[in-house]
Amino acid sequence: NAGVTQTPKFQVLKTGQSMTLQCAQDMNHNSMYWYRQDPGMGLRLIYYSASEGTTDKGEVPNGYNVSRLNKREFSLRLESAAPSQTSVYFCASRQAQGRTEAFFGQGTRLTVV
Amino acid sequence: GENVEQHPSTLSVQEGDSAVIKCTYSDSASNYFPWYKQELGKRPQLIIDIRSNVGEKKDQRIAVTLNKTAKHFSLHITETQPEDSAVYFCAASRGTYKYIFGTGTRLKVLA
Repeated sequence: NAGVTQTPKFQVLKTGQSMTLQCAQDMNHNSMYWYRQDPGMGLRLIYYSASEGTTDKGEVPNGYNVSRLNKREFSLRLESAAPSQTSVYFCASRQAQGRTEAFFGQGTRLTVV
Repeated sequence: GENVEQHPSTLSVQEGDSAVIKCTYSDSASNYFPWYKQELGKRPQLIIDIRSNVGEKKDQRIAVTLNKTAKHFSLHITETQPEDSAVYFCAASRGTYKYIFGTGTRLKVLA
């Protein structure tokens, strides 16, 4: 049982480059989330998808786009990376029904130089 | 918009003492309040949660209390051990909506 899987685990980008972070869950969850975590700071919500076919902005959406490809997969795209986007990115999923915990992926450490 | 404030940002306690972390939320419709523990370099993992129809929940050395009127909830860890050292996050959510985290508390248990 893999849970929530993120790829890649580490990435170095040059300013202006683009990339897509992949996230997949095998728990049949409806809701999926992308967070960023900066040193000494909490988890800030970038985008979320309450259910397949819907996406909404979180607290810090600028500079990012997302795609809910199907129920399992939720990707995060950086179109033109900036040093301010250096962070650890976490994907999470949770069941929509009821009040339930979120399960996190192992994180992607992204450095933009 | 929704906001969750968490205090303190750092907390040092002697082994065996108790630790208390407090959170305040802004969205009165929030109905689910989980607490996560994140060890260095690892992903956050749930340690305890409470729903809005319950005032207190306990699991061994960990307890959470909820005051809906004041819109705040707290994590209590008793008989702290060195392995409790980590960053703790509170969160608040309602249904399928935004799942907002507090800024985290770095707990250090001194042996």
